[in-house]
Amino acid sequence: AQKITQTQPGMFVQEKEAVTLDCTYDTSDPSYGLFWYKQPSSGEMIFLIYQGSYDQQNATEGRYSLNFQKARKSANLVISASQLGDSAMYFCAMKVTGNQFYFGTGTSLTVIP
Amino acid sequence: EADIYQTPRYLVIGTGKKITLECSQTMGHDKMYWYQQDPGMELHLIHYSYGVNSTEKGDLSSESTVSRIRTEHFPLTLESARPSHTSQYLCASSDQTGPGEKLFFGSGTQLSVL
Repeated sequence: AQKITQTQPGMFVQEKEAVTLDCTYDTSDPSYGLFWYKQPSSGEMIFLIYQGSYDQQNATEGRYSLNFQKARKSANLVISASQLGDSAMYFCAMKVTGNQFYFGTGTSLTVIP
Repeated sequence: EADIYQTPRYLVIGTGKKITLECSQTMGHDKMYWYQQDPGMELHLIHYSYGVNSTEKGDLSSESTVSRIRTEHFPLTLESARPSHTSQYLCASSDQTGPGEKLFFGSGTQLSVL
């Protein structure tokens, strides 16, 4: 079965500190993509970062990096130097071959000044 | 960046009313999706389209219907709204295929049925 699990309903981080948001996935498909999206209170889902199952190196996009551990089936998001604007819901998602995306239940991140 | 627009942003309506949630994108993307999002839950796919005159139901049973007469427009209609339809509805589009497909989302419509 295909599944995304986010076990942290809420997280707090001090401004300028780094934070890791956890994501584990389950699939038997050898080819898959892993994504992180940010959803501010305004509602839109914003794409942050992508990791392909065959990528050898961890993906990075500015202050975002994806800690991809294939054997453990984890795809944690690391946000460095947190900013107040990072306060939002964060969703981990997976796409396998075919049409279906699988989303986690999200993690609410609050950045404390 | 993709531009994808949803209207209205918020909608409060009485039971039994017919409503249409609008979704338009200006990027010429062939693939469009409707997701339902409830607090603390994962997004659930309710409809998708791979192009004009192509529509399919998603994994979540829904009493809504969709149409795709133009590439840029993918409206969702509820013929008779009920309180159980209260939810956030997100529209998305994409021009890619395979595991690396990136979705571009609209801002969503928060629907409340009284």
